Amino acid sequence: AQSVTQLDSHVSVSEGTPVLLRCNYSSSYSPSLFWYVQHPNKGLQLLLKYTSAATLVKGINGFEAEFKKSETSFHLTKPSAHMSDAAEYFCVVSVWNSGYALNFGKGTSLLVTP
Amino acid sequence: EPEVTQTPSHQVTQMGQEVILRCVPISNHLYFYWYRQILGQKVEFLVSFYNNEISEKSEIFDDQFSVERPDGSNFTLKIRSTKLEDSAMYFCATRTSGRAYNEQFFGPGTRLTVL
Repeated sequence: AQSVTQLDSHVSVSEGTPVLLRCNYSSSYSPSLFWYVQHPNKGLQLLLKYTSAATLVKGINGFEAEFKKSETSFHLTKPSAHMSDAAEYFCVVSVWNSGYALNFGKGTSLLVTP
Repeated sequence: EPEVTQTPSHQVTQMGQEVILRCVPISNHLYFYWYRQILGQKVEFLVSFYNNEISEKSEIFDDQFSVERPDGSNFTLKIRSTKLEDSAMYFCATRTSGRAYNEQFFGPGTRLTVL
């Protein structure tokens, strides 16, 4: 079975400061990992994905994540938060033996204060 | 840019009624999924569909649920007899064939309210 644990349900940062959203995964197989973002009353948008080609993955809007197999982690970072980054962020794992179904973490709500 | 569309955006129904949620996938995508998100909870996988049959389903996807692709374009989720606990946002997602890291593209969702 595969699962993800998002270590913080809420994160609050000031505009212009770094963002760190933490995610640990568990998988019996080589995982594919994703971060999705959901803005209020909107659908889910892919931020970035780990494809095993590179451990440091760059996504949209300045976000990036580093896959660390030894720590089973896939933390999401951004050097400088913008007000528009306020949203719900989901760490997601997909494994081939589940029909590539996505297994979502519980989400981290990011608040950005002026 | 092609996108997944879903109708209706909102659906209000009485308990025990049947509802059909519709999704139009991106045209060259072959794998289709339904997920739901109960208010305040995480997104949960319901079912995956490929080559006109269910490939995987979760424990949530019981006999009250069914999926089909009736006309080769729409992908539908039917709930035969809705319950209060079916109230949720339902997302359709589609994917091209191939590797696991091919992303799933999500529709905007249908908010289902069961009274």
